[in-house]
Amino acid sequence: GPKVLQIPSHQIIDMGQMVTLNCDPVSNHLYFYWYKQILGQQMEFLVNFYNGKVMEKSKLFKDQFSVERPDGSYFTLKIQPTALEDSAVYFCASSPGTFNNQAPLFGEGTRLSVL
Amino acid sequence: QQQVRQSPQSLTVWEGETAILNCSYEDSTFNYFPWYQQFPGEGPALLISIRSVSDKKEDGRFTIFFNKREKKLSLHITDSQPGDSATYFCAASFMDSNYQLIWGSGTKLIIKP
Repeated sequence: GPKVLQIPSHQIIDMGQMVTLNCDPVSNHLYFYWYKQILGQQMEFLVNFYNGKVMEKSKLFKDQFSVERPDGSYFTLKIQPTALEDSAVYFCASSPGTFNNQAPLFGEGTRLSVL
Repeated sequence: QQQVRQSPQSLTVWEGETAILNCSYEDSTFNYFPWYQQFPGEGPALLISIRSVSDKKEDGRFTIFFNKREKKLSLHITDSQPGDSATYFCAASFMDSNYQLIWGSGTKLIIKP
């Protein structure tokens, strides 16, 4: 079936550096999301994105975070600069439309380790 | 304030038994409830979902029972298999929304052979 791909699967960086997490959503999906999960716990919403714009973001989506999807390529989450508390697994998800059609499909996640 | 609660935090049942996972919510305007299954090191996978207009949704060995008045729902897994061992998340949203899912904290299910 359709899959959301995330690259890389694991990223290790030093605190203060910039990191970009990449997501290749399902091709005909229009809505994109980033979620954060710490140690297999509750998934926490960060942001959703549609038609080139951020639709909604949570308080976890700090000023150091940004998202974009230039020219239909990867949907990216950039963190600049990174902090120790940013260490987590970041999941990208996409959906074709509103949840009337289908709940979001999730990728395998990118494990970010900030040292 | 946690809007979606799950219990128990962890559950162990024997192979072949029925596992019952509980979920409750606070916001009465939620009308769509997907359940996700997550294996260690993987992303959550949509398992089954229900709309608030229904009180039951069945898909193979997985059944959601929904009680709108009490704002509760449960996931029943019949004839549990060791391969069902995973963490199960209940989530809630507004069906006509393209916005965030509100997640529970998950139930870790272990099926003993």
